[in-house]
Amino acid sequence: QVQLVQSGAEVRKPGASVKVSCKASGYIFTTHYIHWVRQAPGQDLEWMAIINPSSGSTTYAQKFQGRITVTSDTSTSTVSMELRSLRSGDTAVYFCAREVSGPGLDSWGQGSLVTVSS
Amino acid sequence: DIQMTQSPSSLSASVGDRVTITCRASQGIRNDLAWYQQKSGKAPKGLIYAASSLQSGVPPRFSGSGSGTEFTLTISSLQPEDFATYYCLQHNSYPLTFGGGTKVEIK
Repeated sequence: QVQLVQSGAEVRKPGASVKVSCKASGYIFTTHYIHWVRQAPGQDLEWMAIINPSSGSTTYAQKFQGRITVTSDTSTSTVSMELRSLRSGDTAVYFCAREVSGPGLDSWGQGSLVTVSS
Repeated sequence: DIQMTQSPSSLSASVGDRVTITCRASQGIRNDLAWYQQKSGKAPKGLIYAASSLQSGVPPRFSGSGSGTEFTLTISSLQPEDFATYYCLQHNSYPLTFGGGTKVEIK
């Protein structure tokens, strides 16, 4: 079955960087785009980025331009999201999700909590 | 960016009630809209895609309608497991944008 397994919780200080990984299994990795979505505590869902794991082509939300990099490693079927210059407002659960043409975001990772605190 | 205005932000309902949630897009998005259910601390679960198509495995009490700028999610007979927060998502253009969520609580 399709699974997206994310890396564990992280704690960072303001100004630092964090890298969250999302390992896919149960399907052909290069055939489906992967999205990143985050959710701050008690807040709504916020779309961040999309990557084509086959080509590595990415699109980022303007809000994160310059601070985010999403990459894919086809040898390990893993997508990674790095967010730099962290601030307290980046404290959130970060989700990866697979896109399927038609049904959209059909499978999600379990989420990775990133806490930014001095 | 396309703004998605979701209403109501919360509602209280009883088991067996019919519930309707609305999303309005700031510009036309054809039928490029999905609905998700999220329970506390968990990843969202897809319910509806292409505005009105039921995701595999989702009970038929859930239905979606609309096109262009106005969309509706209906739960025909609310069940105990349906108490959750619901979000719409437009994927017509980047950045994808979610509605503000509707929390469905027990009356």
